[in-house]
Amino acid sequence: DAGITQSPRHKVTETGTPVTLRCHQTENHRYMYWYRQDPGHGLRLIHYSYGVKDTDKGEVSDGYSVSRSKTEDFLLTLESATSSQTSVYFCAITGTPERGYTFGSGTRLTVV
Amino acid sequence: TQLLEQSPQFLSIQEGENLTVYCNSSSVFSSLQWYRQEPGEGPVLLVTVVTGGEVKKLKRLTFQFGDARKDSSLHITAAQPGDTGLYLCAGFHPSGGGADGLTFGKGTHLIIQP
Repeated sequence: DAGITQSPRHKVTETGTPVTLRCHQTENHRYMYWYRQDPGHGLRLIHYSYGVKDTDKGEVSDGYSVSRSKTEDFLLTLESATSSQTSVYFCAITGTPERGYTFGSGTRLTVV
Repeated sequence: TQLLEQSPQFLSIQEGENLTVYCNSSSVFSSLQWYRQEPGEGPVLLVTVVTGGEVKKLKRLTFQFGDARKDSSLHITAAQPGDTGLYLCAGFHPSGGGADGLTFGKGTHLIIQP
């Protein structure tokens, strides 16, 4: 049991379309995060959540929104996808941020 | 803004050799974490160090947190092909209530050739 799953694993979408990525956890952790990983930039924080309905922006939040209506689910939405949002997206969870995160396996998103 | 610089960026060595990778910052962190990431997968936490000068060992991997809690090193003894991967360090600083995420380095790409 992985404890954290991301869906879909791969997605190709057209510029201008909305896209939603899902992160689901079974660990009942309070904190959930969305990162994107790009060559030359490493992991960059998009949005994070510290509880149900409690979310905040990270360093690269423009063009993205999130929702957390249940402890176990954290959704990332690209309202109108652009080619610059082609990336690998990772969700992470933790109960104690200073002790470390558990990452999902990632979603590879291609915007054409 | 806290920055973490990792060196080297790329390292390719033969099986059986020893190596050290570094994670440096001008900022103080309350803890520092090391992750390993394999292609197509998310990073996996290897270790967390929290005390200045702390040394932790994980089989052939030795992690050290600097005395001033600004830097860390990862030493691998007798590297094996299974050690191949992207090694990321991440520093935690308790700002904003501690929920706003870690500061990640850009990683060291390590290849161990048989």
